[in-house]
Amino acid sequence: NAGVMQNPRHLVRRRGQEARLRCSPMKGHSHVYWYRQLPEEGLKFMVYLQKENIIDESGMPKERFSAEFPKEGPSILRIQQVVRGDSAAYFCASSLTGDTTGELFFGEGSRLTVL
Amino acid sequence: QKEVEQDPGPLSVPEGAIVSLNCTYSNSAFQYFMWYRQYSRKGPELLMYTYSSGNKEDGRFTAQVDKSSKYISLFIRDSQPSDSATYLCAMNYGGATNKLIFGTGTLLAVQP
Repeated sequence: NAGVMQNPRHLVRRRGQEARLRCSPMKGHSHVYWYRQLPEEGLKFMVYLQKENIIDESGMPKERFSAEFPKEGPSILRIQQVVRGDSAAYFCASSLTGDTTGELFFGEGSRLTVL
Repeated sequence: QKEVEQDPGPLSVPEGAIVSLNCTYSNSAFQYFMWYRQYSRKGPELLMYTYSSGNKEDGRFTAQVDKSSKYISLFIRDSQPSDSATYLCAMNYGGATNKLIFGTGTLLAVQP
């Protein structure tokens, strides 16, 4: 039973390029959360998605960032026109239920470096 | 002021020691409290999950919540080198979303 799968594990982009991070939730999970971990900081909530719907995007920067979780395929976090401040580890978590009774299972993260 | 405060450490202890990790929080609306362990370059994994004030024990780990003081703790008994990791406290408001607010994490090193 595979856990949460994230890819790529490491991504290097130059300023102005686009970054796409993918997350396949655990089998049977339809709730996906994205978190960002900046150096020396804790994980910060970005967005919560259920299949084909964005439920809570209160932690997403207003510009350049978007997320989707299509009916088929992985969830994608997209960062357009990356800047150095976007360098961070991006973690995806999935859960069986979307409420507080559902344990969050985290992937190993995608580490973005912006040159 | 951050919603959740956690001493970043690092904390270094000898093998076999009792470790105490703590977090304070400012928002009394938090309902659920968790401790996650994160090994270097890995994702967080859930260690303990508590709701009410009081203690919860699981093997060598004990989680303590004091809602009146807005203070949570994680105790590790008989610490092992394999416990060396970053420990993150997390909490949420309850209800229909599992959005977590994390502390910054405490880096623990258990010396053999």
